[in-house]
Amino acid sequence: QIQLVQSGPELKKPGESVKISCKASGYTFTNYGMYWVKQAPGQGLQYMGWINTETGKPTYADDFKGRFVFFLETSASTAYLQINNLKNEDMATYFCARWFDYWGQGVMVTVSS
Amino acid sequence: DVVLTQTPPTLSATIGQSVSISCRSSQSLLDSDGDTYLNWLLQRPGQSPQLLIYSVSNLESGVPNRFSGSGSETDFTLKISGVEAEDLGVYYCMQATHAPLTFGSGTKLEIK
Repeated sequence: QIQLVQSGPELKKPGESVKISCKASGYTFTNYGMYWVKQAPGQGLQYMGWINTETGKPTYADDFKGRFVFFLETSASTAYLQINNLKNEDMATYFCARWFDYWGQGVMVTVSS
Repeated sequence: DVVLTQTPPTLSATIGQSVSISCRSSQSLLDSDGDTYLNWLLQRPGQSPQLLIYSVSNLESGVPNRFSGSGSETDFTLKISGVEAEDLGVYYCMQATHAPLTFGSGTKLEIK
């Protein structure tokens, strides 16, 4: 069966970096783009962008250009989201999704000094 | 960016009641390829979102047929014909016709 399994919760300090993984199984990884969505506590869904799993080319929504990086380890069917120079406003749950028909379980990132 | 306005923001329903949620777009969502990329998602408490309806009216596999979608251009509706207890959560519309993809602000369905 198709699954997207994300890494565990993270506790980081402002200014640090965090790397979140999303491991896909049950389908051909390179046949579908991988999308990233942010959900701040008690808030709605915010589109971050996506990565073309065939070419590795990322596309970022405007609010996520600069400190956010999408990349792949195709041999492991895994997509990654890295957030650099963490800020308080990055505290949220981050989801990966295969074209929104399959979602990861989400990763809660807490940013606290 | 395309703005999706969902109404109502909250909805309270009894079991068996039929309800509708509206999603209005600031631009037509009819794509040049003839498709309309308007989807509906449900996020149950503490869970990841799940896809209910894609391309306005197509029921995702495994989703009960009490859910239905309709609409065109800028006005879309999700209908639940006979709410069940498991339907509680937040419903989001999302569009993928225009970049960047955007989500509505959500409609919270509560069960009375």
